[in-house]
Amino acid sequence: GESVGLHLPTLSVQEGDNSIINCAYSNSASDYFIWYKQESGKGPQFIIDIRSNMDKRQGQRVTVLLNKTVKHLSLQIAATQPGDSAVYFCAERTYSSASKIIFGSGTRLSIRP
Amino acid sequence: GAVVSQHPSWVICKSGTSVKIECRSLDFQATTMFWYRQFPKQSLMLMATSNEGSKATYEQGVEKDKFLINHASLTLSTLTVTSAHPEDSSFYICSARPRDTQYFGPGTRLTVL
Repeated sequence: GESVGLHLPTLSVQEGDNSIINCAYSNSASDYFIWYKQESGKGPQFIIDIRSNMDKRQGQRVTVLLNKTVKHLSLQIAATQPGDSAVYFCAERTYSSASKIIFGSGTRLSIRP
Repeated sequence: GAVVSQHPSWVICKSGTSVKIECRSLDFQATTMFWYRQFPKQSLMLMATSNEGSKATYEQGVEKDKFLINHASLTLSTLTVTSAHPEDSSFYICSARPRDTQYFGPGTRLTVL
């Protein structure tokens, strides 16, 4: 079945450093991947997405890398700030699954001053 | 990004009562909306897909008679938790997408006493 998992449940990063959050997925039919940020008590917030025909996409301070060979996704956050503290989820969608988005287990990012 | 709202943001009810949660797309029309449930320190779990003008599609293991979904218009979906019990206490989140990007509501915290 479909599953999306994360390598690390928690990540602590020094303020100003870059953060890298990793994610593994198992469904080779997935064609669209999304990263969400969720702050405590709030709904997930869209960060960035990438389609399976791409291997890299950049946004403002964030970059997503997709390696389809090993079914691996990563989110890079440049110059991490205190406001980046949150739980980050990768999610996948397959065209055949009626556009349902399935979430991974999440990584909590904490920022050290 | 697109705006999805939920009402109420939190609700406390007695065991055995029913609770209705509303999900609205504020600046776009959505023929499909999604309902997720999230327990503390866990990921989001897709419960069902709400389809405007037709029956909802429930994920495996989700009781359709307990979680009633009505998608009455292109901007409103409702989730009714019937005969709620303490184990139904959770964070309920809806989402919808104007195009490819899926946006989430702020969530509804349900506490059943």
